[in-house]
Amino acid sequence: DIQMTQSPSSLSASVGDRVTITCRASQSISSSLNWYQQKPGKAPKLLIYAASSLQSGVPSRFSGSESGTDFTLTISSLQPEDFATYYCQQSYSIPWTFGQGTKVEIK
Amino acid sequence: EMQLVESGGGLVQPGRSLRLSCIASGFTFGDYAMSWVRQAPGKGLEWVGFIRSKAYGGTTEYAASVKGRFTISRDDSESIAYLQMNSLKTEDTAVYYCTRVVSSTRYWIDPWGQGTLVTVAS
Repeated sequence: DIQMTQSPSSLSASVGDRVTITCRASQSISSSLNWYQQKPGKAPKLLIYAASSLQSGVPSRFSGSESGTDFTLTISSLQPEDFATYYCQQSYSIPWTFGQGTKVEIK
Repeated sequence: EMQLVESGGGLVQPGRSLRLSCIASGFTFGDYAMSWVRQAPGKGLEWVGFIRSKAYGGTTEYAASVKGRFTISRDDSESIAYLQMNSLKTEDTAVYYCTRVVSSTRYWIDPWGQGTLVTVAS
């Protein structure tokens, strides 16, 4: 199975901060990496698919990038509604696997 | 608007069975693979499995943790996906999300249903 290692597991940031979350795959996954946002008590929501494509309706302050087996989700200017838990997920091979999540909290 | 609505969750004893349903609307159900993802209380997301569209044989794939116990099926005429869960264990306690699989050259999950809670306890 492909292991997805997310870092950090949590972070504290202020409104307006630039936030970066990293996800490392245990092997090459050829851009098959998606990012989801989950708020407490709610279902996850797709933010980024295929490593760097922004899902329709998602604010442009969210972006994704990749470098080899390292993938990054960047929030350019953190907004109050962005405080949530973020998950990466690989869809390159079965079983699909998720990172353990990164909780973004208010500083 | 695309929508997925799960039902069928509840409290069940270990070793018993439960079937979850997911009614889809707002898209051509038969054109898409459908997947189930679960989340144990206070934990992260775990992929359970998916069923391909009939165009791709309607075949299924499962996580090792549920293979042989869980079965995903679909009724394209009613736009419903099912998750049949047998021989339930306490570690199957989770919110179960129904999701649509979108594919081009890659695969991703969108949208997600609101989830249904399954509690396995005696």
